[in-house]
Amino acid sequence: GIQVEQSPPDLILQEGANSTLRCNFSDSVNNLQWFHQNPWGQLINLFYIPSGTKQNGRLSATTVATERYSLLYISSSQTTDSGVYFCAPGGTGANSKLTFGKGITLSVRP
Amino acid sequence: GAVVSQHPSWVICKSGTSVKIECRSLDFQATTMFWYRQFPKQSLMLMATSNEGSKATYEQGVEKDKFLINHASLTLSTLTVTSAHPEDSSFYICSARATERNYGYTFGSGTRLTVV
Repeated sequence: GIQVEQSPPDLILQEGANSTLRCNFSDSVNNLQWFHQNPWGQLINLFYIPSGTKQNGRLSATTVATERYSLLYISSSQTTDSGVYFCAPGGTGANSKLTFGKGITLSVRP
Repeated sequence: GAVVSQHPSWVICKSGTSVKIECRSLDFQATTMFWYRQFPKQSLMLMATSNEGSKATYEQGVEKDKFLINHASLTLSTLTVTSAHPEDSSFYICSARATERNYGYTFGSGTRLTVV
């Protein structure tokens, strides 16, 4: 199966700082999503980004499928950005499953 | 759009009893749903793929007789943890995908199961 590596495993930021979270994956994929898991366990879909670049407010993501990596950018971080960020590549078919990385734990301090 | 509802949010049960968790796609039809398990401070591990009208496909190492999955309609999949033991205590999350939309997979809010 697909191997997913996320880095760094832990990240501490001062409020207002910017950061880049990285996801490397071992095989070609047709789907990749970034999720934020809040303290209550809810997985929030941040981006569906099998390739290219997308932006949503202070967040943006880029996937370079040919080089098997994806980046999540957080700008002007806020304390509410704290939590665990997961990268999950997979296929696009109805039965295709996502494989989750181990996650990046982000703590934003006021 | 693409909302998945999971119920209950949390449940406490005694050892030896069974617990049923429901996963519903509210605004789309899902022929396939997925069940994940997450231990504290760990990643999500896929347990099984739930297929509407047919048997679920279980990942290696997952006991199909302990974790019964039923996907009787296009909007509902259930996971029943049978004869629960304390080691079954975990966070269970379901997901589905509205394939006709470009949203990717949507996840339910999860169920925290505690077996005492």
